[in-house]
Amino acid sequence: GEDVEQSLFLSVREGDSSVINCTYTDSSSTYLYWYKQEPGAGLQLLTYIFSNMDMKQDQRLTVLLNKKDKHLSLRIADTQTGDSAIYFCAETPLPYGGATNKLIFGTGTLLAVQP
Amino acid sequence: DVKVTQSSRYLVKRTGEKVFLECVQDMDHENMFWYRQDPGLGLRLIYFSYDVKMKEKGDIPEGYSVSREKKERFSLILESASTNQTSMYLCASSPRTGTGNTIYFGEGSWLTVV
Repeated sequence: GEDVEQSLFLSVREGDSSVINCTYTDSSSTYLYWYKQEPGAGLQLLTYIFSNMDMKQDQRLTVLLNKKDKHLSLRIADTQTGDSAIYFCAETPLPYGGATNKLIFGTGTLLAVQP
Repeated sequence: DVKVTQSSRYLVKRTGEKVFLECVQDMDHENMFWYRQDPGLGLRLIYFSYDVKMKEKGDIPEGYSVSREKKERFSLILESASTNQTSMYLCASSPRTGTGNTIYFGEGSWLTVV
């Protein structure tokens, strides 16, 4: 079955780069996502990548996908205290009974940014 | 802007009570989902629905049921709440098909069962 794993905690200093890692098992995934959850809030989509891409950059965010190793990473440049949150990776496995956008989530990584 | 609204943000219920968590979306989406979020376990899918009156079990449906009588509303029901159902519950919606970046989440309902 599908499985998505992340490390539980990452601490960085303000201004440094953060790299949050994720491994997944379903090789048929077509979309892989990064979501951010701030305290007491729902999930906000940060970025996503198609499985036929290796990299996607969006301002301070860089997503790297290694399909061979089934490894996804999110790099946040110049990390700010406002980036402190839980970050979830997620995948859309195919085929899945018609629900092409059913998400499988990782366990979440708590990013703590020290001033 | 798409809006997914969970009407109850914080609830405290007693063991054995029947609990309703309501979710409403305003974008005419076919798909709606209920997830449960627990520390260290991430988000786990409880139930989802592709259309009115249609429902399918997710990964952890035990102890829960759902109702989708209208397209915009998807209710999660705990028939007899138990303390191990204390959690954060997240509702989401999406169109039937899409590019994959069209799933929207509500802000969550924190349920405590005492």
